[in-house]
Amino acid sequence: DAKTTQPNSMESNEEEPVHLPCNHSTISGTDYIHWYRQLPSQGPEYVIHGLTSNVNNRMASLAIAEDRKSSTLILHRATLRDAAVYYCILPQYNNNDMRFGAGTRLTVKP
Amino acid sequence: ETGVTQTPRHLVMGMTNKKSLKCEQHLGHNAMYWYKQSAKKPLELMFVYNFKEQTENNSVPSRFSPECPNSSHLFLHLHTLQPEDSALYLCASSQLSEKLFFGSGTQLSVL
Repeated sequence: DAKTTQPNSMESNEEEPVHLPCNHSTISGTDYIHWYRQLPSQGPEYVIHGLTSNVNNRMASLAIAEDRKSSTLILHRATLRDAAVYYCILPQYNNNDMRFGAGTRLTVKP
Repeated sequence: ETGVTQTPRHLVMGMTNKKSLKCEQHLGHNAMYWYKQSAKKPLELMFVYNFKEQTENNSVPSRFSPECPNSSHLFLHLHTLQPEDSALYLCASSQLSEKLFFGSGTQLSVL
């Protein structure tokens, strides 16, 4: 099974960039990399996804290593509302296997 | 608002009760999921339905019984639960294996 590894927790200061890493050394050529975040008392919400190229959207940027064995979610200017648990997952398309790991708990300090 | 609605938001039940959690989506998605999230623990995938057919059952005890009558509705029937089953139960849907849309969850307390 493709698995991901993330740091348990990270801290950031408000209005500074945040780089959240994810290792997925067993990724296969067809696995997409998805990122979600879970705000307190809510269900997870989709942030961004990519396959090979770096991706940008209004929430974040995703930088994917050339060998695809790691990726980084970039929040360009962290706000207090970005405090959440961030999950990196590799959905398995053949069986709808959408498993989550422990994620990274991001704390944003004012 | 994600388009995935779960009811009830909160549920307290005794160990001998029978209750059901409901999930509804009108996003046209073909896959629906149940996840369990215990306090301070990661999300655990419980069940997956693809086009109303169960495709994944991750060794979930039989006291949890899912039902998917159509692509828009998913139920989780609960009976003779244990206190350790107290958790946040989250429903999600997706189109094939594209991005997941989660509901707000049902916070379940088993007394």
